[in-house]
Amino acid sequence: GQNIDQPTEMTATEGAIVQINCTYQTSGFNGLFWYQQHAGEAPTFLSYNVLDGLEEKGRFSSFLSRSKGYSYLLLKELQMKDSASYLCAVRGAAGNKLTFGGGTRVLVKP
Amino acid sequence: GAVVSQHPSWVICKSGTSVKIECRSLDFQATTMFWYRQFPKQSLMLMATSNEGSKATYEQGVEKDKFLINHASLTLSTLTVTSAHPEDSSFYICSGRQANQPQHFGDGTRLSIL
Repeated sequence: GQNIDQPTEMTATEGAIVQINCTYQTSGFNGLFWYQQHAGEAPTFLSYNVLDGLEEKGRFSSFLSRSKGYSYLLLKELQMKDSASYLCAVRGAAGNKLTFGGGTRVLVKP
Repeated sequence: GAVVSQHPSWVICKSGTSVKIECRSLDFQATTMFWYRQFPKQSLMLMATSNEGSKATYEQGVEKDKFLINHASLTLSTLTVTSAHPEDSSFYICSGRQANQPQHFGDGTRLSIL
């Protein structure tokens, strides 16, 4: 089966850095994805890791360690518009489908 | 690139009505489309996976006769909620994918059954 864990909520200050951790236990692994979802909207793709290491995309970076079943999403220079839910999702080896974690609600305060 | 268009964005209808939701990939060919449902403050739950020209594969607990999925072309998939009831009220989101690329989501359809 698939099990993906991430914290429920995090609060940070505008301009700061926040790290959202995600641990997973899946039957097979074929990539880990991070999505951002604002309230009432559909998720938007942020990043994709399939090999170990850090992927950097502007203010957002994502890290993966396959041996530890662990990933994190790093948000730098936080802006108020970054207040959203961040979803960790894993593509298992069996087929195409993504399994989503419960999401981490990030609240950015002035 | 990788735009998925989903319509309608919001539906309110009476109990017993059937509702059809369309999902189109506008600038890529979605060999696989996924349909999700999301209840308030919960994560996305996969309902079914469909490959173009094939029957959809439904997740455990999802009634295939109630949630009819058609994926007749590489750019269009539809979900029909038949004889909808208040417990079917939810946020339905489609997602398209080409080969091994990331999934891209439509804007979602908020369905309210009275």
